[in-house]
Amino acid sequence: DAKTTQPNSMESNEEEPVHLPCNHSTISGTDYIHWYRQLPSQGPEYVIHGLTSNVNNRMASLAIAEDRKSSTLILHRATLRDAAVYYCILISGDKLTFGTGTRLAVRP
Amino acid sequence: DTGVSQDPRHKITKRGQNVTFRCDPISEHNRLYWYRQTLGQGPEFLTYFQNEAQLEKSRLLSDRFSAERPKGSFSTLEIQRTEQGDSAMYLCASRPSGGANYGYTFGSGTRLTVV
Repeated sequence: DAKTTQPNSMESNEEEPVHLPCNHSTISGTDYIHWYRQLPSQGPEYVIHGLTSNVNNRMASLAIAEDRKSSTLILHRATLRDAAVYYCILISGDKLTFGTGTRLAVRP
Repeated sequence: DTGVSQDPRHKITKRGQNVTFRCDPISEHNRLYWYRQTLGQGPEFLTYFQNEAQLEKSRLLSDRFSAERPKGSFSTLEIQRTEQGDSAMYLCASRPSGGANYGYTFGSGTRLTVV
């Protein structure tokens, strides 16, 4: 599976939107873009995934660039409970391959 | 459905002892995965099953590690002759088969400490 690049850390203020970027310039046509987050001392939690079109669910939105070489996870109003490590993963096969993700801190 | 369950949540064992962890996936999910996570790192893939068949094993899975999924339901991960380097969080995940258009559901993990 192709590799992704994410910033090591980001900060946000509570109740403000957060845009978490992910670069994946070597993405192939069959790769899905998955996002997971991991709160301290818990297993990863599925957030959202997409292939080509932007996606929305109750947790977040996923904006995918037209050339698919980058994507952005959007949390519309950050809360303290959104403080976590966010992983952007490309997958076309059978398993998730995690990088080190982006550690999001939310300031009250 | 209560999600993916892992037992125990925590395990402390002496070096050289054997340990076994259990994972109960979401009942309709026929894919089951094991991952290991050490402090500050992302989870690393160990192995996965489709129903009762073990389809792939990572090179991280030494011969001291064995995983089973009898009858395609729950799975166990056994570590024989534990070493201090085995100390980690062991995570289980499940999903339906059918390609990458499905999210993975993870359990809360089993934290192993080898003393």
